[in-house]
Amino acid sequence: GENVEQHPSTLSVQEGDSAVIKCTYSDSASNYFPWYKQELGKRPQLIIDIRSNVGEKKDQRIAVTLNKTAKHFSLHITETQPEDSAVYFCAASNALRRGYQKVTFGTGTKLQVIP
Amino acid sequence: EAGVAQSPRYKIIEKRQSVAFWCNPISGHATLYWYQQILGQGPKLLIQFQNNGVVDDSQLPKDRFSAERLKGVDSTLKIQPAKLEDSAVYLCASSSIRDRAYEQYFGPGTRLTVT
Repeated sequence: GENVEQHPSTLSVQEGDSAVIKCTYSDSASNYFPWYKQELGKRPQLIIDIRSNVGEKKDQRIAVTLNKTAKHFSLHITETQPEDSAVYFCAASNALRRGYQKVTFGTGTKLQVIP
Repeated sequence: EAGVAQSPRYKIIEKRQSVAFWCNPISGHATLYWYQQILGQGPKLLIQFQNNGVVDDSQLPKDRFSAERLKGVDSTLKIQPAKLEDSAVYLCASSSIRDRAYEQYFGPGTRLTVT
C-alpha cells in the first residue's frame, strides 16, 4: 500500500519568514495530493491540493510543488503569520477508476509561527 | 451546504465497554470515510464506503470494530469491547464523485477516552 512520509515533525519560524514542509510517497499510481491544516481540537481543513498533471500550484501565500519522478511534494507558506500556527498534514490519493479514492496521510508537521 | 455531522462530540467509557458513533455526511456525497486519529498522529483510515458498500476496511480491527451504512447515507461505527489504545478522535469524512471528486470534507470528530 501507499506510504507517506512527512518532514519535519515540528517547525518554528519567525513571523514573516517562509515555512517549507516536505512529503514523499511510495505509490507511483497516486495522482492527487491534498494538504490539510488542523488547528488544536478542530477538524482537518483542506488548504490546497495538486493533481499529478500539474507541477506547481499557488494560492496567495500558499504554494505546493510536485515532483512525480522523485515522488515528493512540498508545501510552501510565505510571509507566515501567527494564525498559520497549526498542524499540517500532507496526503496522497489514488483515485481509482470506480470513482472513489484511497487516501493516505502523513504524520503531520506542527508549525509554530513566533511573533 | 450543511457540513458533515457527527455525534457524540465526546465520550468517556471504561475498557471492555461498547460505544457507537454516528455520522451524517454532506447530502449527495456517495463516499464516506471513518478515520482514527491518535493524539500527535495523522488520520488513519479505518473503513471507506461507496454508497452502502464497503470499498476498503483493510485497517479496521474487525474483532472489535464494526461499521455500517445501511441506506447509503448516514453511518455508525461501533467498538465492542473497547481497549485503552482505542482512545482517539474518530473523524468522519465524505466526498462526492461529482465536481471536486477528490476533496474530503471532515466532520468535527468524536473524542473517545477509554479508562
